Amino acid sequence: DADVTQTPRNRITKTGKRIMLECSQTKGHDRMYWYRQDPGLGLRLIYYSFDVKDINKGEISDGYSVSRQAQAKFSLSLESAIPNQTALYFCATSDYLTDTQYFGPGTRLTVL
Amino acid sequence: EDKVVQSPLSLVVHEGDTVTLNCSYEVTNFRSLLWYKQEKKAPTFLFMLTSSGIEKKSGRLSSILDKKELFSILNITATQTGDSAIYLCAVVVTNAGKSTFGDGTTLTVKP
Repeated sequence: DADVTQTPRNRITKTGKRIMLECSQTKGHDRMYWYRQDPGLGLRLIYYSFDVKDINKGEISDGYSVSRQAQAKFSLSLESAIPNQTALYFCATSDYLTDTQYFGPGTRLTVL
Repeated sequence: EDKVVQSPLSLVVHEGDTVTLNCSYEVTNFRSLLWYKQEKKAPTFLFMLTSSGIEKKSGRLSSILDKKELFSILNITATQTGDSAIYLCAVVVTNAGKSTFGDGTTLTVKP
């Protein structure tokens, strides 16, 4: 079984809809991250969390919110989706001993 | 604002060629620099560099960091079609715990 899982893997939605992307991990890591990837733009950090009570905005948090329901679960919400949120979204984890991040398989989101 | 710049943005070579990918950075309180490989899926870890001048090597891939000139290079020798991917560089700063990524270099290796 994969250590970091994301659901759904693909989603097509319409402008104005609320969307939730979910991430679960079995690596036992405290730190979790949400990124979006657009063609030619690498990975941009949306939100990150170092433990259940710690949530931090990344460089592009506007239009997004997150919830850290448990150490192993970190969800990303788009309250009212817009077309420029069409992107590939990755969840990642790491622990405090190493800077290496482990990525989920990604969610491809299309907002029409 | 932390900044990571990769070059070139894309590169096309033939099998057997040697390539060098570049990553320069401007950050406060540098902690580490990491290289990832992304094929048609999630990025996977290649190397983590924290000290200048110490080469990390894995098969045909190697990487080195220069903390004085603020850059790192990733070398791939005897390239194969399976090396075709996006190569991402990321820098972690002390006490922040989060990574700033460059835009990546897209490498295409032709048979």
